[in-house]
Amino acid sequence: NAGVTQTPKFRVLKTGQSMTLLCAQDMNHEYMYWYRQDPGMGLRLIHYSVGEGTTAKGEVPDGYNVSRLKKQNFLLGLESAAPSQTSVYFCASSWTRYEQYFGPGTRLTVT
Amino acid sequence: QQPVQSPQAVILREGEDAVINCSSSKALYSVHWYRQKHGEAPVFLMILLKGGEQKGHEKISASFNEKKQQSSLYLTASQLSYSGTYFCGTDRPAGNMLTFGGGTRLMVKP
Repeated sequence: NAGVTQTPKFRVLKTGQSMTLLCAQDMNHEYMYWYRQDPGMGLRLIHYSVGEGTTAKGEVPDGYNVSRLKKQNFLLGLESAAPSQTSVYFCASSWTRYEQYFGPGTRLTVT
Repeated sequence: QQPVQSPQAVILREGEDAVINCSSSKALYSVHWYRQKHGEAPVFLMILLKGGEQKGHEKISASFNEKKQQSSLYLTASQLSYSGTYFCGTDRPAGNMLTFGGGTRLMVKP
């Protein structure tokens, strides 16, 4: 089992560009999450999903959109990137609201 | 609201003990603990669901005082492999999401 995978691992964007981050899990988990982690700080929840076709806002949803068309995939979109969105993005999944399994992260730089 | 962790950083020698605290101003359903090594993803350590419950993971244990909305992580006889940043995540009764604290950076030296 690959667990949770994220694509891409690194990305550099210019202000105003758009991109989509892909998260995939092969554990048949219902719950999936997108977090951002800024240097020296904790994880902040952007959006999450409790099942295929559902999404909900987390703590810091502004500037991001998500979709969960298939149970195993959770996509995070940035429509118009801003320097404030420079961060490391982690995807996670879980059976219920408990133990979360994290992907390796995507390091995004917006110039 | 983000839970508060203390201390922010601690340096230990191998074999020493440490306690990391996590407190919230809101009623909690559960407390989760994760460890993140530099440049890696967070890894789940344990979850505490009820007040006063203690759990263990090797030489790492934790307690959860539901009434005080506090949790403590106990690391005994620390090993070099314990180095990393420890995060608590709190879960409210009506929620489906964790709110993480700012982290405690732990460094174990030989």
